Amino acid sequence: AQRVTQPEKLLSVFKGAPVELKCNYSYSGSPELFWYVQYSRQRLQLLLRHISRESIKGFTADLNKGETSFHLKKPFAQEEDSAMYYCANPGKLIFGQGTTLQVKP
Amino acid sequence: SQTIHQWPATLVQPVGSPLSLECTVEGTSNPNLYWYRQAAGRGLQLLFYSVGIGQISSEVPQNLSASRPQDRQFILSSKKLLLSDSGFYLCAWSVPGLETQYFGPGTRLLVL
Repeated sequence: AQRVTQPEKLLSVFKGAPVELKCNYSYSGSPELFWYVQYSRQRLQLLLRHISRESIKGFTADLNKGETSFHLKKPFAQEEDSAMYYCANPGKLIFGQGTTLQVKP
Repeated sequence: SQTIHQWPATLVQPVGSPLSLECTVEGTSNPNLYWYRQAAGRGLQLLFYSVGIGQISSEVPQNLSASRPQDRQFILSSKKLLLSDSGFYLCAWSVPGLETQYFGPGTRLLVL
């Protein structure tokens, strides 16, 4: 079955530490993967898309077909990065289980 | 510009009571519409999606139903709520053929 997996429910780091939110997919073809973010008391919103190859709020994500991964990375975490992050293939209507990122001062 | 609205923002209902959550989209025509539930510890679960008026696809069998009476209106309903229906319900829309989904503010439902 097609699936997007986020193995970590909670990731806790200190401010200034590097962050890597893991996402793996389990289907063939060329996946169109996205990262969505939901900050406290705000709506779920698009963070970035792999085809855009862009950096948003210091975050980047590279599609690794060999490892079937699309990990979200940021070299120096900020407290305002604390949020719920979802890896998704919305075109296939598939979302990961979500990872809560907690950045401590 | 396009906007998506959901109401109510918060709802507390007794077990066995009916439910009606509404979602409307402005600024676009013939959007694809989606209902998701975000339950604690379970991530984002797709409940229903619609590609047009009266066209509803159900992803998860349960006591919820969805309807699309107008092009930009999507309603989530239940005849009798269960305790397990508690959660955060999100409506989303997308342009047909494009994959980015845009989410509403959500409705927090507590069934007691």
